[in-house]
Amino acid sequence: RKEVEQDPGPFNVPEGATVAFNCTYSNSASQSFFWYRQDCRKEPKLLMSVYSSGNEDGRFTAQLNRASQYISLLIRDSKLSDSATYLCVVNIGSSASKIIFGSGTRLSIRP
Amino acid sequence: DAGVIQSPRHEVTEMGQEVTLRCKPISGHNSLFWYRQTMMRGLELLIYFNNNVPIDDSGMPEDRFSAKMPNASFSTLKIQPSEPRDSAVYFCASSLGTGAITGELFFGEGSRLTVL
Repeated sequence: RKEVEQDPGPFNVPEGATVAFNCTYSNSASQSFFWYRQDCRKEPKLLMSVYSSGNEDGRFTAQLNRASQYISLLIRDSKLSDSATYLCVVNIGSSASKIIFGSGTRLSIRP
Repeated sequence: DAGVIQSPRHEVTEMGQEVTLRCKPISGHNSLFWYRQTMMRGLELLIYFNNNVPIDDSGMPEDRFSAKMPNASFSTLKIQPSEPRDSAVYFCASSLGTGAITGELFFGEGSRLTVL
C-alpha cells in the first residue's frame, strides 16, 4: 500500500464550480500535512498547510481527519488559473522530516 | 534571493554512462531532499539530508544511485551506470529546519534526464 494515495483524476470542471479532493495516508504516526500545487513542467510549490481544526485560505479550505487518516482540499469558485496538479503531502518523520508526496490529482478548469 | 539551483536542466545520455546531477540549496537551509518524478510513479523521495548528514536513503532505487552532501551549499546525485528506466525529472529541494512544522520545501526547477 502506498504511504499517500490520491485519486489521479483528471477532474474537469467549469469555471465557478466547487471541487474537492481527498487523500489518504497509511502511517498513523504522521506528523504534519500539506497541499502543494504543481503546474505543468514546473516544480511543486506549497499551497497550504493542513491543521487539525481545519483551515481556510481564501477560496481554499483544507481539513484533516486523523481517525480516518485522510485529508481534503476544497476549492470554491474555481478559476481558470486553478488548473494544475494538486499534491497531497505528509511528513511521516519524527525527529527529522520524511516528507512524502502523493501522486497528485489533476484539475482542469474549463471556461 | 536565489532559490534552489540545479544543474544541468536537461541531460540526454546513453545507457551505461555516468550521470551527475548537482544542487545548491538556499543559503541557511539545513535540510536537503532529492526526489524523482515520473508519470507512472509520481514524486518519489530518494534521500534526504539534515545538516549535511544523510538521514534516510531508503528511497534510493539501487546501488547504482549515490548521493553526497560535502558541505551545506552543495549536493550531488550520481547514477552509475545509467539505464533507460532512470529517465525522469530529478528535483532537489531544501527547507529551513527539518520542514516538519512548516512543510515548506523549496524546489529547484529540476533536472530532466533522458537515458537512451
